[in-house]
Amino acid sequence: GENVEQHPSTLSVQEGDSAVIKCTYSDSASNYFPWYKQELGKGPQLIIDIRSNVGEKKDQRIAVTLNKTAKHFSLHITETQPEDSAVYFCAARGGHGGSQGNLIFGKGTKLSVKP
Amino acid sequence: GAVVSQHPSRVICKSGTSVKIECRSLDFQATTMFWYRQFPKKSLMLMATSNEGSKATYEQGVEKDKFLINHASLTLSTLTVTSAHPEDSSFYICSGGAAGSYNEQFFGPGTRLTVL
Repeated sequence: GENVEQHPSTLSVQEGDSAVIKCTYSDSASNYFPWYKQELGKGPQLIIDIRSNVGEKKDQRIAVTLNKTAKHFSLHITETQPEDSAVYFCAARGGHGGSQGNLIFGKGTKLSVKP
Repeated sequence: GAVVSQHPSRVICKSGTSVKIECRSLDFQATTMFWYRQFPKKSLMLMATSNEGSKATYEQGVEKDKFLINHASLTLSTLTVTSAHPEDSSFYICSGGAAGSYNEQFFGPGTRLTVL
């Protein structure tokens, strides 16, 4: 089955700097890769996603890149702000099970943005 | 994004009682709903997948008789923790996938269950 590894587990940056979180996956058939932001005591919020037919996607200060050959994808946050502080999870949906198949999550990255 | 609500947000119960958690998709029809459990500072662990009108599919190690899931309509799924024990204390989160959506899952705000 699919396995998703996420690094780093914690990341501390100064306000205004960029933050990069990386994930690798094992199932070459996986075709959907969302990123979620989870604040303390709340449910995960989808912030950006990418599908396997696209190499990069950007939404304002957030971008995601996908390298299918290497089976890794990354989240890039530019001009970080204190409100970006949260736990970020990457996920991959396996290539089997239809369009609503299970997401396999990474273990999360706790991002701290220091003012 | 689509909105998913959960009720209650927090519940405290005595050991041996049952607790029902509701998950509702407010502005879309969720053909598939997922139930997750999350321990402190840990990732989300999928418990089960339910499709409207059919039995839920449970992940390995999850007791279906203890965690009863009902997905009676396209906007409502419920998780009942039966005969709850302190080790069932956790953060339970549901998510829904819209009919026709290619892949997106939208998460509810979660329910904090504490069993005394």
